[in-house]
Amino acid sequence: GESVGLHLPTLSVQEGDNSIINCAYSNSASDYFIWYKQESGKGPQFIIDIRSNMDKRQGQRVTVLLNKTVKHLSLQIAATQPGDSAVYFCAENMGSGGGADGLTFGKGTHLIIQP
Amino acid sequence: DTGVSQNPRHKITKRGQNVTFRCDPISEHNRLYWYRQTLGQGPEFLTYFQNEAQLEKSRLLSDRFSAERPKGSFSTLEIQRTEQGDSAMYLCASSLVLGNTIYFGEGSWLTVV
Repeated sequence: GESVGLHLPTLSVQEGDNSIINCAYSNSASDYFIWYKQESGKGPQFIIDIRSNMDKRQGQRVTVLLNKTVKHLSLQIAATQPGDSAVYFCAENMGSGGGADGLTFGKGTHLIIQP
Repeated sequence: DTGVSQNPRHKITKRGQNVTFRCDPISEHNRLYWYRQTLGQGPEFLTYFQNEAQLEKSRLLSDRFSAERPKGSFSTLEIQRTEQGDSAMYLCASSLVLGNTIYFGEGSWLTVV
């Protein structure tokens, strides 16, 4: 089965609200996690990453939280905008120094921004 | 700002034909990855190169698939005797050896009819 998964296939939020996208992973050996945003017909776009020795990391309007105890990852997007509408994937990388086999992705959450 | 470049972006081919996709990674990125993505699913790892060496291949990569990176720069992914089940988006990505962040291209869509 998949080692990375998402709780909800679709999340609908009002423009301007904050959104939280969740991800559960099963491999406790994973040491690096990335969130990607994918718009229709395009490749995944890097948003933010976090290593297993951290529990929180902030970017511009985005925050990633890592709870290793329950193997849970979340992406928080503040003040969502129409341009945030996309499918969001979390991915894990088990390899140290770059990852021997790339990333393992979940199925994604489709974030819909309501006007 | 030059990202990962893939071409062609779209390819429609008849079943049984061969197709080849090209990927130009971000300059100076030692690692190059190929992934496949079907509708509604996340990308699935196919194979990766470190410089010109192909270091890992997924079970998804059947004998009809071959990837090369002869000079450690651009890479090609060839699919021989295409089948309808090969219809997907083929994504290329690159990264530094000592950096985990993997950057993706825009993908090459394959439709086998």
